[in-house]
Amino acid sequence: DGGITQSPKYLFRKEGQNVTLSCEQNLNHDAMYWYRQDPGQGLRLIYYSQIVNDFQKGDIAEGYSVSREKKESFPLTVTSAQKNPTAFYLCASSIKVGAGITDTQYFGPGTRLTVL
Amino acid sequence: GEDVEQSLFLSVREGDSSVINCTYTDSSSTYLYWYKQEPGAGLQLLTYIFSNMDMKQDQRLTVLLNKKDKHLSLRIADTQTGDSAIYFCAERTPGGSYIPTFGRGTSLIVHP
Repeated sequence: DGGITQSPKYLFRKEGQNVTLSCEQNLNHDAMYWYRQDPGQGLRLIYYSQIVNDFQKGDIAEGYSVSREKKESFPLTVTSAQKNPTAFYLCASSIKVGAGITDTQYFGPGTRLTVL
Repeated sequence: GEDVEQSLFLSVREGDSSVINCTYTDSSSTYLYWYKQEPGAGLQLLTYIFSNMDMKQDQRLTVLLNKKDKHLSLRIADTQTGDSAIYFCAERTPGGSYIPTFGRGTSLIVHP
């Protein structure tokens, strides 16, 4: 079965700690994305990557970091610099970016991060 | 600039039709999408429409696009309790980063 997996589903962290959210896809997609979702809000783009070893900041990148060492994986680290990290985090992928219908995004099941 | 607007809530009776509306501002949008999000889950792609189309139908779902008014709608026929979810409209424009812009989502509540 092809798809996008995110782990863990629920994550708790203490203030001042960094935490890494996992996102893996076996769809052979070049592009991957991280979004943050807060109640009543739309999706806000954190980072995206069009190809291995390359990524760009989205609208709310401050306090987050990413890496793209493998095509299948795009982990997101929420650092202690992120002032309000409690949210639902969604990972997505698409075949490409900027190439028509291949931009269509497919989403993982999400990770709910709670800072205690 | 890019902006996608949706009403936040819609309540319908089971068996009725639901119509969820979306307006967008970028006239150069090429693809428009509808996603469904059930509680605690990710977004599921329901359908998309290319900007040179006026209508697309897929089983109980009908998408209507009015490019002149920059208005997109999703009609769900014979709405069921399992359709209760948040529905997101998104547009993709050829300029900038090509990454879709999402609306805030419409919560559809289906009651007996």
